[in-house]
Amino acid sequence: GQNIDQPTEMTATEGAIVQINCTYQTSGFNGLFWYQQHAGEAPTFLSYNVLDGLEEKGRFSSFLSRSKGYSYLLLKELQMKDSASYLCVPKDGNYQLIWGAGTKLIIKP
Amino acid sequence: IAGITQAPTSQILAAGRRMTLRCTQDMRHNAMYWYRQDLGLGLRLIHYSNTAGTTGKGEVPDGYSVSRANTDDFPLTLASAVPSQTSVYFCASSPEGGAGANVLTFGAGSRLTVL
Repeated sequence: GQNIDQPTEMTATEGAIVQINCTYQTSGFNGLFWYQQHAGEAPTFLSYNVLDGLEEKGRFSSFLSRSKGYSYLLLKELQMKDSASYLCVPKDGNYQLIWGAGTKLIIKP
Repeated sequence: IAGITQAPTSQILAAGRRMTLRCTQDMRHNAMYWYRQDLGLGLRLIHYSNTAGTTGKGEVPDGYSVSRANTDDFPLTLASAVPSQTSVYFCASSPEGGAGANVLTFGAGSRLTVL
């Protein structure tokens, strides 16, 4: 079967750095997305990785290792508005997006 | 403002009633999707359309139907609502379906309660 493994919940302090890990198992692989979802709102796109390595976008970076089935999202200089759920979404061999429940990140002052 | 508009925002519905959730996008995206999101679960794909005039079944299509008469509109119909269809429904679109970094843009969601 296909599955995604992320921590259910994480807590971090404003101004700090946090890394959200994701391991996945899919039938084939065609890239991996990270989305952010604030409570009561729709998901919004953060990053996309298709090759191994790090993609940096401002305060957010995403890393992919295809051989390990592993990705992480790194958030720097945390702000209160970063309190949200973070969804690791691989795309399988049939180009279907695989959605898990995500990681709820709580930022404390 | 370019994006996706969903209606209604929220609806309470009696079981057995027919309901259509509307979705319109103005980005000229070819692909559109309907997802449902239930507490503690990931998004589940109901139906999708890779281009106007075509539709396909997702992971949980039973009890739902869609149509794609034109590029902009992708309504979702519940023919006879049941309580298990209580959920938040998200419409989304992407430039293309299939391969590549086709980023999804989501509507704000429609919260449906079936009693």
